[in-house]
Amino acid sequence: DSGVTQTPKHLITATGQRVTLRCSPRSGDLSVYWYQQSLDQGLQFLIHYYNGEERAKGNILERFSAQQFPDLHSELNLSSLELGDSALYFCASAPRGVGNTEAFFGQGTRLTVV
Amino acid sequence: AQSVTQLDSQVPVFEEAPVELRCNYSSSVSVYLFWYVQYPNQGLQLLLKYLSGSTLVKGINGFEAEFNKSQTSFHLRKPSVHISDTAEYFCAVSDPGLTGGGNKLTFGTGTQLKVEL
Repeated sequence: DSGVTQTPKHLITATGQRVTLRCSPRSGDLSVYWYQQSLDQGLQFLIHYYNGEERAKGNILERFSAQQFPDLHSELNLSSLELGDSALYFCASAPRGVGNTEAFFGQGTRLTVV
Repeated sequence: AQSVTQLDSQVPVFEEAPVELRCNYSSSVSVYLFWYVQYPNQGLQLLLKYLSGSTLVKGINGFEAEFNKSQTSFHLRKPSVHISDTAEYFCAVSDPGLTGGGNKLTFGTGTQLKVEL
C-alpha cells in the first residue's frame, strides 16, 4: 500500500459527460501529480500541484482541469468526455518534488467512456 | 526536453534465467533515473532510483541497474528471475535542476517482462 488513495477505482460513463476523479496523497506529502495511461499514449504527465498551487502542466486537454484543496487532496475534472479519454488515471504524491525522492502512486482510476 | 526509450516492448524469459531490460534517455542536463514496476491492475511501485554517487544501484526484489552517462543508459538487470517478476517495467527520468516544488517524471513506453516455466 503506497498510502495514496484514489477514488473511484472504476468509472463507466457516456460520451459528453463530466466526471471527477479524487486523490488523497500520503500524509504530509505536498505534491500531487496526475498521469494518464493509455494503450496508444503510454504514461503521460498531465499536471502537478504543490501545496495548492499549479506548478506544471503537461499534455492536459483544455476539457480537463484539476485543483488541490487546502487539505491537500486533489481532484481531476474531465468534461465533454470522448471515447479516446478512456484510460487509467494515476495520481502520485511526493513530499516536495520528485527530484530527490520517489513519487508514490495510487492504484489508479480506470475510466471507460462508452 | 527529456525523453526515455525502452526499445523492447516485450521480453520473454525462462524462470531462473538472467534478464536485462534496456533503457536509454535523452537529456541536455543531469538527470535522476528511476525504474518502476506495474503488476496487473496495480499502480506503479518504485524498484530503484539513481540520484548521484555509485553508478550501480540496487533495488527491491533483487533488481539492480547501472547508470552509464557516456551511453545515456540505465539498464535494469536481475540475475535470476521468478514467475512473480512477470509485470510491466517502466524507466523514468526527472530533472533535478527544476525548482518550484518539484518536477514531473517522464516515462518510457514500458517493457512487458514475461517469465515462463
